[in-house]
Amino acid sequence: DIVVTQSPLSLPVTPGEPASISCRSSQSLLHSSGNTYLDWYLQKPGQSPQLLIYLTSNRASGVPDRFSGSGSGTDFTLKISRVEAEDVGIYYCVQALEKWTFGPGTKVEI
Amino acid sequence: EVQLVESGGGLVQPGGSLRLSCTASTASKGTFNNYEINWVRQGPGKGPEWISFISRAGTTILYADSVKGRFTISRDAAENSVSLQMNSLRVEDTAVYYCARYYGGLDYWGQGTLVTVSS
Repeated sequence: DIVVTQSPLSLPVTPGEPASISCRSSQSLLHSSGNTYLDWYLQKPGQSPQLLIYLTSNRASGVPDRFSGSGSGTDFTLKISRVEAEDVGIYYCVQALEKWTFGPGTKVEI
Repeated sequence: EVQLVESGGGLVQPGGSLRLSCTASTASKGTFNNYEINWVRQGPGKGPEWISFISRAGTTILYADSVKGRFTISRDAAENSVSLQMNSLRVEDTAVYYCARYYGGLDYWGQGTLVTVSS
């Protein structure tokens, strides 16, 4: 089974400042199609998770462009260019190459 | 807009059964059968855990090891719904159960239905 890890697990942020979360998988998420199956989700308090980034670097519909995803193989990064107060919550990276596996989550708080 | 609605949660004793359903809101009903649907659960104070997937035609079905052999996913095209039959429930199955559409990522989620397994 593919294992997904994240760091840090807790991230204090300052509005207006950038923030970054790292994600690592136990094996490459590159598919023969050329797609790399790593997604990012945000779960705000009391809400269902919401898709931010799919296939490593594609922003989901309605997601602000301050969010960006990058990476390849087994190492990935989610960046927020300028944090806003509404960005607090738990961020999960998820591998979708073989079924789906959620990372442990990174709690972002101001 | 796609809106998914889960139902069927509740309190059940260990070893018991429960059937969850995922349907679309009225505006989305006509296209629901085109959706690939996943079930994801989240135990109290825990992160989400993917548990099952069904393709549009129901020809591809996947389960997490934690539920394989106990849970069965199916879809009813006439009812525009996807069901999750949960048997031999355990205390550790206690969670909020979400259905989510897969389209690139898990792009639309329902609000979840709570399943509590307790004696």
